[in-house]
Amino acid sequence: ETGVTQSPTHLIKTRGQQVTLRCSSQSGHNTVSWYQQALGQGPQFIFQYYREEENGRGNFPPRFSGLQFPNYSSELNVNALELDDSALYLCASSLGGGRTEAFFGQGTRLTVV
Amino acid sequence: KQEVTQIPAALSVPEGENLVLNCSFTDSAIYNLQWFRQDPGKGLTSLLLIQSSQREQTSGRLNASLDKSSGRSTLYIAASQPGDSATYLCAVRLSGGSNYKLTFGKGTLLTVNP
Repeated sequence: ETGVTQSPTHLIKTRGQQVTLRCSSQSGHNTVSWYQQALGQGPQFIFQYYREEENGRGNFPPRFSGLQFPNYSSELNVNALELDDSALYLCASSLGGGRTEAFFGQGTRLTVV
Repeated sequence: KQEVTQIPAALSVPEGENLVLNCSFTDSAIYNLQWFRQDPGKGLTSLLLIQSSQREQTSGRLNASLDKSSGRSTLYIAASQPGDSATYLCAVRLSGGSNYKLTFGKGTLLTVNP
């Protein structure tokens, strides 16, 4: 059974650019959630996808968007990058719309300069 | 709005000591609570999941308790080892319409000294 994998592990982008982060969910899991973790803080919920539909969103602007594919893998897209977007982006997979145990990937460290 | 607080923010103990990490939450209408471990710059490793109907869960040297009515959970680590050094995060999932997300505390940074 494979765990949650994220790519890339590290990324440096310039302010104003766009970025796409990727996540492969754990085998058999149909729900993927994305979180943003700033240095020294707990992760903050961005949004969740269940069976290819967004079914929950946190307090993030529309320039944060996502997709979930038929194999339940997911992408997080961020447009018009700002310096404050620098953070560790975490993907979690689970079953049944997210109410079961969540398993996280290793994260993508995004630095915006 | 659910708020999760973890005390202390940092803890340093000698190897072999038993210790308790605390987590409190403001809304007691929770679906479940999950404890995680995070090594520096890494992702989260799930340690224990407690459903709202449960009082405690155990895994090896770890024991987590839940008191919904008082809005508290504790993580007990027995016979601590240097390899236990990490940040420990508590996360709560509300029941009802907001049960799709976890709300995290800021974590407790644990250092176990040899």
